[in-house]
Amino acid sequence: SQTIHQWPATLVQPVGSPLSLECTVEGTSNPNLYWYRQAAGRGLQLLFYSVGIGQISSEVPQNLSASRPQDRQFILSSKKLLLSDSGFYLCAWSVQGSGELFFGEGSRLTVL
Amino acid sequence: KNQVEQSPQSLIILEGKNCTLQCNYTVSPFSNLRWYKQDTGRGPVSLTIMTFSENTKSNGRYTATLDADTKQSSLHITASQLSDSASYICVVLGGATNKLIFGTGTLLAVQP
Repeated sequence: SQTIHQWPATLVQPVGSPLSLECTVEGTSNPNLYWYRQAAGRGLQLLFYSVGIGQISSEVPQNLSASRPQDRQFILSSKKLLLSDSGFYLCAWSVQGSGELFFGEGSRLTVL
Repeated sequence: KNQVEQSPQSLIILEGKNCTLQCNYTVSPFSNLRWYKQDTGRGPVSLTIMTFSENTKSNGRYTATLDADTKQSSLHITASQLSDSASYICVVLGGATNKLIFGTGTLLAVQP
């Protein structure tokens, strides 16, 4: 069966510090991978998606970046965090051509 | 503009009671609609998917309906349990670029 792992679960970082959130998927090949951010009281906002290794599409301009160094690994990064980067980050995967998303457990980021 | 709107924003019911959550969308063309359940601090989990030709689909105590003509969907929860307390998110796949469009969710609290 397929599983998705996302870490760390919680993170408290000072403004200006770097960020790295990692996500891995097991039990499937060539998945679509996604990073979403969920702010309190708002819907999920798509940040990045990837249809293959090294292929990253950005939906919202910001100081975040994403990379896919391996087929089932998706990393969300920042060189310098802003207060506005605080939120709940969700990694997800889907089968190519399917709209059903399978989410990770999420990472709560607090920037102080 | 492709949008998904959910109502009510929040809802409190007593354990054992039924409730119905609404989702209205303006997404066109339409591919499918999914209902997700998101426990606090966790990733969303898919409850059901509705395609254009489906009117009703059940998953245990959850029953989803779809009226593609009026672009409305509902999620009915029967005999609610405390574990039903969560945010319920309506997601539509569609639009010119066939993307996922998220509603902001309905926060349900089931009280004993």
